[in-house]
Amino acid sequence: KNEVEQSPQNLTAQEGEFITINCSYSVGISALHWLQQHPGGGIVSLFMLSSGKKKHGRLIATINIQEKHSSLHITASHPRDSAVYICAVEPGEYSGGGADGLTFGKGTHLIIQP
Amino acid sequence: DTGVSQNPRHKITKRGQNVTFRCDPISEHNRLYWYRQTLGQGPEFLTYFQNEAQLEKSRLLSDRFSAERPKGSFSTLEIQRTEQGDSAMYLCASSFGVQVGSTDTQYFGPGTRLTVL
Repeated sequence: KNEVEQSPQNLTAQEGEFITINCSYSVGISALHWLQQHPGGGIVSLFMLSSGKKKHGRLIATINIQEKHSSLHITASHPRDSAVYICAVEPGEYSGGGADGLTFGKGTHLIIQP
Repeated sequence: DTGVSQNPRHKITKRGQNVTFRCDPISEHNRLYWYRQTLGQGPEFLTYFQNEAQLEKSRLLSDRFSAERPKGSFSTLEIQRTEQGDSAMYLCASSFGVQVGSTDTQYFGPGTRLTVL
């Protein structure tokens, strides 16, 4: 079983399109992270959120705790946004976790074509 | 550069050999994590330290794996008697994490890519 499911697994879009990547999880969490990984392995943290919505530039992340679902949106997408986007959760106190490491989804491979 | 650094960046070894990786976290970060990532998969948690104390170990961390953070600063991850299945990217991350149970942004290093022949 995979506690964190992402969709779609692969997404190809044209420059300028609005992008949505979805993440569903099955355990109680203390926080959810959205990460970006470029070819070669480097991982950058985009957002950490436990409720509501956060925005940074063209990126928006939302989370619905009751539905155990989060989305990452990219507005006015650009070829430089091409990367793997990974959703990861920190298990909550009552899920056998605490300050444990993250549980990751498999990632969404995004390609933005010019 | 004051980010998380890892050495070496690449390691090729023969099956049965021992390897050791080093991670230098962002200074003043109390928490340090080790993850492993195989091709096409998301990273998997291995272990983490709160200062020098190793607080959690994944069941993925067999007896051949050992991690240390002796002075609460840098950390080493050693794999003994390497197997071909150990081939992966080993990622280190750090966070401020003052209190056990708190949640903080994790900052990742570039990773060490291990190939076991």
